[in-house]
Amino acid sequence: AQRVTQPEKLLSVFKGAPVELKCNYSYSGSPELFWYVQYSRQRLQLLLRHISRESIKGFTADLNKGETSFHLKKPFAQEEDSAMYYCALRQTGANNLFFGTGTRLTVIP
Amino acid sequence: GAVVSQHPSWVICKSGTSVKIECRSLDFQATTMFWYRQFPKQSLMLMATSNEGSKATYEQGVEKDKFLINHASLTLSTLTVTSAHPEDSSFYICSVTGETDTQYFGPGTRLTVL
Repeated sequence: AQRVTQPEKLLSVFKGAPVELKCNYSYSGSPELFWYVQYSRQRLQLLLRHISRESIKGFTADLNKGETSFHLKKPFAQEEDSAMYYCALRQTGANNLFFGTGTRLTVIP
Repeated sequence: GAVVSQHPSWVICKSGTSVKIECRSLDFQATTMFWYRQFPKQSLMLMATSNEGSKATYEQGVEKDKFLINHASLTLSTLTVTSAHPEDSSFYICSVTGETDTQYFGPGTRLTVL
């Protein structure tokens, strides 16, 4: 069975500091990993996906199959990054997503 | 991306009544719609997946007779919580996909059962 773990419920960093939100997964196949973000009073929206290998809003995430991790990183946090972040996994050939419990990031001015 | 709306945004009902929640894709042909439930301080849990014109596929542990899903068109899916009880109080969120596999989420509906 698949599982997505986000060990930190809350994470606070100062503006300008690096930030890393951790995500580990377990899945026997070859998964597709995503990061979704939910800003205050807004709906969930896709931030990035591992197959795109792109940087969105300064965030990057690399899939490490050896460590089964997909940590989200940003070198310099901004106040507008404060939000709830969810890591999600999609099984090979499937449509639906399995979400982690989320990490609330607070960037302190 | 797609614009997805849900109605109502918040509903309070008495125990034993049924509640219908609508999910609309406003500018997007949604071939597949998903319904999630989110309890306070917990993650989104997939309840069911529905494809337009066919029966929904429910996740293990989700009662199909209690959570009725109708995906009648490419722009509308409804979730009816039948004979609601306080333990059904939750945040219900729908999402849609179309030609691409990106999921677009609705704003959610908060259900409170008294």
